[in-house]
Amino acid sequence: GQQVQQSPASLVLQEGENAELQCNFSSTATQLQWFYQSPGGSLVSLLSNPSGTKHTGRLTSTTVTKERRSSLHISSSQTTDSGTYLCAWGNNNAPRFGAGTKLSVKP
Amino acid sequence: GGIITQTPKFLIGQEGQKLTLKCQQNFNHDTMYWYRQDSGKGLRLIYYSITENDLQKGDLSEGYDASREKKSSFSLTVTSAQKNEMAVFLCASSPLGGSSYEQYFGPGTRLTVL
Repeated sequence: GQQVQQSPASLVLQEGENAELQCNFSSTATQLQWFYQSPGGSLVSLLSNPSGTKHTGRLTSTTVTKERRSSLHISSSQTTDSGTYLCAWGNNNAPRFGAGTKLSVKP
Repeated sequence: GGIITQTPKFLIGQEGQKLTLKCQQNFNHDTMYWYRQDSGKGLRLIYYSITENDLQKGDLSEGYDASREKKSSFSLTVTSAQKNEMAVFLCASSPLGGSSYEQYFGPGTRLTVL
């Protein structure tokens, strides 16, 4: 079955609003990473957060390992944040990806 | 910094054809991966190679072969292209070990089968 589930599948915001993205995985992860995929298709790593809370810029990720979930909070969204956010999970092996959350930020 | 190069950028094949995709990285990373992404969907792992002489099947290995020619290069072969198949194949690399994946992705090869 699906090892990584992401929600919501899509999200539409007005510029300035905050976004909350969720990732649930099938068993305890030792590696958990959030990626951004641009509308053009290129993939970049945002941050790695196998447990606890991490911040980078307007992004905050919180991972609760024993509950097998991670969230990505985007504050004060901008139109340039539009794209797909992917969660990757694994246990000392090759990461598996969720289907992603497609974010659209309107001006 | 480093870069991952994938060739070709676009690949058009015929049904039943054997097709090879290539990936090169100059990060000096030990581990390399091949993923397939269908339109509007997440990435599915095809093959990965932890170190230079290693090859591991992913969740979608059937219908594919892979080869780690040297540390910097990893090839993927579609053994028999399926009619009307369309997907993007993404190559990635990462250093061995550590608590994060630190994966770096190439720009992708877009496959269309006529």
